[in-house]
Amino acid sequence: DIHLTQSPSSLSASVGDRVTITCRTSESIDIYLNWYQQKPGKAPKLLIYAASNLQSGVSSRFSGSGSGTDFSLTINSLRPEDFATYYCQQSFGDPTFGQGTKVQVK
Amino acid sequence: QVQLVESGGGVVQPGKSLRLSCAASGFIFTTYSIHWVRQAPGKGLEWVAVIWYDGSKKYYADSVKGRFTISRDTSENTVFLQMSSLRAEDTAVYFCVRALTSVDEFWGQGTLVTVSS
Repeated sequence: DIHLTQSPSSLSASVGDRVTITCRTSESIDIYLNWYQQKPGKAPKLLIYAASNLQSGVSSRFSGSGSGTDFSLTINSLRPEDFATYYCQQSFGDPTFGQGTKVQVK
Repeated sequence: QVQLVESGGGVVQPGKSLRLSCAASGFIFTTYSIHWVRQAPGKGLEWVAVIWYDGSKKYYADSVKGRFTISRDTSENTVFLQMSSLRAEDTAVYFCVRALTSVDEFWGQGTLVTVSS
């Protein structure tokens, strides 16, 4: 299985901040990397697919980049509704997820 | 509108079996693969299984291989996850997902399975 390591595991930020989360994979996956947002008690929501493509209806404050083994998710101008847990996921092989990054209020 | 409604969760003893259902509506069921993804309480996401749109292929996570079986009934627009030899570590919310990681992705609300004596 392809292992994904996210960093940090959690971070504290303020409304208006720019936040970046990284995801490193155990082997090269080209651009088969996706990002999800999950709020407590809810199903995850796909934000970014194929490393840098914004899912329909998702705010342009979210952006993704990377290829191979190193990827990142950036949230510009953090809003109150962005406080949540974020997961990376690879779809190069059988799907696997990172351990999650909790974005909480500073 | 698109809906995926999971059911069948509950409390079950270790070693026993349980069958989850995922009832689909609002889209052409036979054109999409369906996945199961689970999340243990307070933990991250784990992909469990997938069945192709036509039922021709099925794949499982190593953690459930040989114990779980995914199937679909096109007459009922439903996907099933038959879980046997359940373990405490199978305790989780189980989500069914249409077309995981595609632009057409859609998640159900999940059903909780608790394996406990």
